[in-house]
Amino acid sequence: AQKITQTQPGMFVQEKEAVTLDCTYDTSDQSYGLFWYKQPSSGEMIFLIYQGSYDEQNATEGRYSLNFQKARKSANLVISASQLGDSAMYFCAMRSYGYALNFGKGTSLLVTP
Amino acid sequence: EAGVAQSPRYKIIEKRQSVAFWCNPISGHATLYWYQQILGQGPKLLIQFQNNGVVDDSQLPKDRFSAERLKGVDSTLKIQPAKLEDSAVYLCASSLGGSGKYNEQFFGPGTRLTVL
Repeated sequence: AQKITQTQPGMFVQEKEAVTLDCTYDTSDQSYGLFWYKQPSSGEMIFLIYQGSYDEQNATEGRYSLNFQKARKSANLVISASQLGDSAMYFCAMRSYGYALNFGKGTSLLVTP
Repeated sequence: EAGVAQSPRYKIIEKRQSVAFWCNPISGHATLYWYQQILGQGPKLLIQFQNNGVVDDSQLPKDRFSAERLKGVDSTLKIQPAKLEDSAVYLCASSLGGSGKYNEQFFGPGTRLTVL
């Protein structure tokens, strides 16, 4: 069975600073994908970044990067140069065979001026 | 391209009543998912369709929940009868299908259900 753990219920960061959101996972599958989604207060789930288990390079998408440490089973999201609009819930998720996403409980991020 | 459409956006019902939600996926997306997101938690998969066949419904409370995807396009999720603990946001998502990197799931805006 897969399990995603996000240990930070809430995080604060000052505008323009970088922040790291933690995610650890547990799976016996060899092939899997790790995702991060953003959920603003409006409720929609917005895809941010993807990392495949066989990808050798850490994924980057604009201000988002994924710090993937396979041996430690961690997939932390790094947001650089935080903006006020980054305030939202952030979910780490995993997908393996079957394609459905298994989500963590989320981290609430608040960006302050 | 148009996104995933869901209706209604909000629904308030009494316990033991019935309710139905509708989802229209992105055109051409073979895979459709229904997730339940209880307040303060991440979404949990209820059911996954590939075209009009069920791939995974292991977490669907089948004594009260049912879902169908006729003609492999639109889908409806029904709860009958509703319980207080069914209060949640019901998210529909769709994807092209396949296990590759580009099998990104696109989510609809969700239906917020309140059971009184």
